[in-house]
Amino acid sequence: QQQVKQSPQSLIVQKGGISIINCAYENTAFDYFPWYQQFPGKGPALLIAIRPDVSEKKEGRFTISFNKSAKQFSLHIMDSQPGDSATYFCAAKRAEGSARQLTFGSGTQLTVLP
Amino acid sequence: DTEVTQTPKHLVMGMTNKKSLKCEQHMGHRAMYWYKQKAKKPPELMFVYSYEKLSINESVPSRFSPECPNSSLLNLHLHALQPEDSALYLCASSHLAGSSYNEQFFGPGTRLTVL
Repeated sequence: QQQVKQSPQSLIVQKGGISIINCAYENTAFDYFPWYQQFPGKGPALLIAIRPDVSEKKEGRFTISFNKSAKQFSLHIMDSQPGDSATYFCAAKRAEGSARQLTFGSGTQLTVLP
Repeated sequence: DTEVTQTPKHLVMGMTNKKSLKCEQHMGHRAMYWYKQKAKKPPELMFVYSYEKLSINESVPSRFSPECPNSSLLNLHLHALQPEDSALYLCASSHLAGSSYNEQFFGPGTRLTVL
């Protein structure tokens, strides 16, 4: 019940295209869903996050779509750029006071071709 | 200052060595974390400190020994490691560990190689 399933494992997109990464979860106690971007040799950096009381959140070219009934959420990168090439991790976190923090998805390696 | 710093950036050690990884943040965060990340895998939580006290140990072998000397510093002491311990070790910090929406800020990591 703690798993977050992420797909695809890798994604190749042409410059200017739309990149879409999907995640699904089982634990309905999760109530915070961040996406992290990680470049090689660097630590993960928070990209955008959403709570389940909204269905969509947009920040610049990055949008999270959230479907609470289906227990799915996705990251859309519009007008993808070569500089977006990185590994993306979705994650989920529970609301209760447990210090067990982020449950990460398995990651998606995005390559944006020039 | 929204940065978590880690030293060293790279570390090569033998299986009989003793070394330490260091992490520092000045964001006033009272929760600090150690993660281990293997290539092409997500970070795996190792330890959580809340208010300088160890609150979570994810069944990590005793050859890894964390220490939180104060609210800004976090160390990971390494002794008698195995080659399979080679990985990127990430430090992170956040506001109150139990809060729902506290963002975790990650450091750049220490790339550890055990020979």
